[in-house]
Amino acid sequence: GEEVAQTPKHLVRGEGQKAKLYCAPIKGHSYVFWYQQVLKNEFKFLISFQNENVFDETGMPKERFSAKCLPNSPCSLEIQATKLEDSAVYFCASSPGLAGGPVSYNEQFFGPGTRLTVL
Amino acid sequence: AQSVTQLDSHVSVSEGTPVLLRCNYSSSYSPSLFWYVQHPNKGLQLLLKYTSAATLVKGINGFEAEFKKSETSFHLTKPSAHMSDAAEYFCVVKPYGGSQGNLIFGKGTKLSVKP
Repeated sequence: GEEVAQTPKHLVRGEGQKAKLYCAPIKGHSYVFWYQQVLKNEFKFLISFQNENVFDETGMPKERFSAKCLPNSPCSLEIQATKLEDSAVYFCASSPGLAGGPVSYNEQFFGPGTRLTVL
Repeated sequence: AQSVTQLDSHVSVSEGTPVLLRCNYSSSYSPSLFWYVQHPNKGLQLLLKYTSAATLVKGINGFEAEFKKSETSFHLTKPSAHMSDAAEYFCVVKPYGGSQGNLIFGKGTKLSVKP
């Protein structure tokens, strides 16, 4: 598609439950990024993919968070055993990579976000 | 370490008056710089970007920003505020401008526009 799509829009989980978020990047984009926006607008980078390969995972809390980008499927971000502090808006962004041309190839296009509330 | 500092957490202007949202960055390499806007309960929209071409960058909705390397600044301006400009604005840096690295966000400036 022409826009980054994220589902669901809202997700409510009890503490300890699993949460799974999905992201469909713009068609033809090679890179996918996940960011977490918490309370006072702080954005935190979580992980990025180049196609189905992890590109940078330096922001991921590895003990409970995992992510995948498989061919012909939406990318996913999964949180096992959610905690109250996981409540946030999770944004996905995609970037064209070199195919987008020298000027725009590194621009990131954001989806509308998934609001996760952990009770 | 790379970082972004938005100097004001909240800016309030009257409709029709100029807007100035300040941003300073720290980066060891030639960065790419962006301003994004986020309206309440909405996603992020790109206003403009600097990618080492012209230092004065024009964006959407009448916004522009000037890259000043000597001051490590990338302030956002608009000559005349409109009520619809009320939103949260984020200054963002990608330290390695030509790479696919992650973005580093400032903490945001909330712009209020009074009638």
